[in-house]
Amino acid sequence: DAKTTQPPSMDCAEGRAANLPCNHSTISGNEYVYWYRQIHSQGPQYIIHGLKNNETNEMASLIITEDRKSSTLILPHATLRDTAVYYCIVRVAGNQFYFGTGTSLTVIP
Amino acid sequence: GAVVSQHPSWVICKSGTSVKIECRSLDFQATTMFWYRQFPKQSLMLMATSNEGSKATYEQGVEKDKFLINHASLTLSTLTVTSAHPEDSSFYICSARAPRGAGETQYFGPGTRLLVL
Repeated sequence: DAKTTQPPSMDCAEGRAANLPCNHSTISGNEYVYWYRQIHSQGPQYIIHGLKNNETNEMASLIITEDRKSSTLILPHATLRDTAVYYCIVRVAGNQFYFGTGTSLTVIP
Repeated sequence: GAVVSQHPSWVICKSGTSVKIECRSLDFQATTMFWYRQFPKQSLMLMATSNEGSKATYEQGVEKDKFLINHASLTLSTLTVTSAHPEDSSFYICSARAPRGAGETQYFGPGTRLLVL
């Protein structure tokens, strides 16, 4: 079962930062948090992952709270092409991913 | 990033036939691959974990005799839907786990849409 909960949908104005929250209150100490996104009828695309520290790459930033019970994915300047379903996933010990329902992000012109 | 391909991208078959879907990691070796199924407007559901050279591990509720998985090499895993029925129509997606040192990230294929008539 998925160990994460996310809001079902969010809107963001084009050019603004999109902040997508995720709760993972039952996460274990050695479990990583991964973020993927899925554009309609395609396979999920990797965005970023982290364990304890905040992470940044060319796509996004990942902020993980100190207690690791929640995290936020930040898309710094959202574009229309960022419209997708965003999944926050906790990678369990066997390396499996159990997807939750995700957040459907709509970037508005 | 790492590339995973799937073949075919689309398949339409008659009820009762078997369908094989291939998943390939193109630029890395993957000892572990995963198979997912996604119904319309739903999230991805993990079906099984495929380990090179050994039997696949199926998630609870997934029939291993219906969904045959073979991971014969470090770059290829296949999923065979045996005796397909209309309720098996779905979007099947595979992923390959990148090796250590590359973040152990899963890279996903583009998916295979199966329609059983």
